[in-house]
Amino acid sequence: SQTIHQWPATLVQPVGSPLSLECTVEGTSNPNLYWYRQAAGRGLQLLFYSVGIGQISSEVPQNLSASRPQDRQFILSSKKLLLSDSGFYLCAWSQGWGEGYTFGSGTRLTVV
Amino acid sequence: SQQGEEDPQALSIQEGENATMNCSYKTSINNLQWYRQNSGRGLVHLILIRSNEREKHSGRLRVTLDTSKKSSSLLITASRAADTASYFCATDAVWNKLIFGTGTLLAVQP
Repeated sequence: SQTIHQWPATLVQPVGSPLSLECTVEGTSNPNLYWYRQAAGRGLQLLFYSVGIGQISSEVPQNLSASRPQDRQFILSSKKLLLSDSGFYLCAWSQGWGEGYTFGSGTRLTVV
Repeated sequence: SQQGEEDPQALSIQEGENATMNCSYKTSINNLQWYRQNSGRGLVHLILIRSNEREKHSGRLRVTLDTSKKSSSLLITASRAADTASYFCATDAVWNKLIFGTGTLLAVQP
């Protein structure tokens, strides 16, 4: 069966520090991968998606970047965090367009 | 930008009652999906309805889709305290991009 792992679960980082959040999927190949951010009490904002190794599409110009170094690994990064980067970050995968998404358990990031 | 808007924003009912949530969207879609999110957790996929379908059932869930009105509804019958969560609709109007609505917070009182 397919599983998705996302870590860490919580993170408190100072302003200006770097960020690296990792997401891995098991039990499938060539998945579509997604990073979303959810502000408190709000809906989800799509940040990045990837349909293959090295293929990244950015939805919102911001202080973040994403990479897909392996087929089932998706990394969200920042060189210097801002206060506005605080939020709940969710990784998800799907088998293709028109299919449901499976989400990871999320990372709650607080930038102080 | 938000594609879907759920209504109501919050809903409180008693256990055993039915809960209905509505979703409106702006552009033509391929399919519409509903997800549940328990507090502080990831989202769980509930049901997917394609643009050529009008109604779909899964257990106690019933979803309808009216593409002429660009709207969908999610009905949870015989609600339980464990159904307490936020519910989101999501649409895939654009290839490989699932856009979520703002969510309905459902509270089921025991």
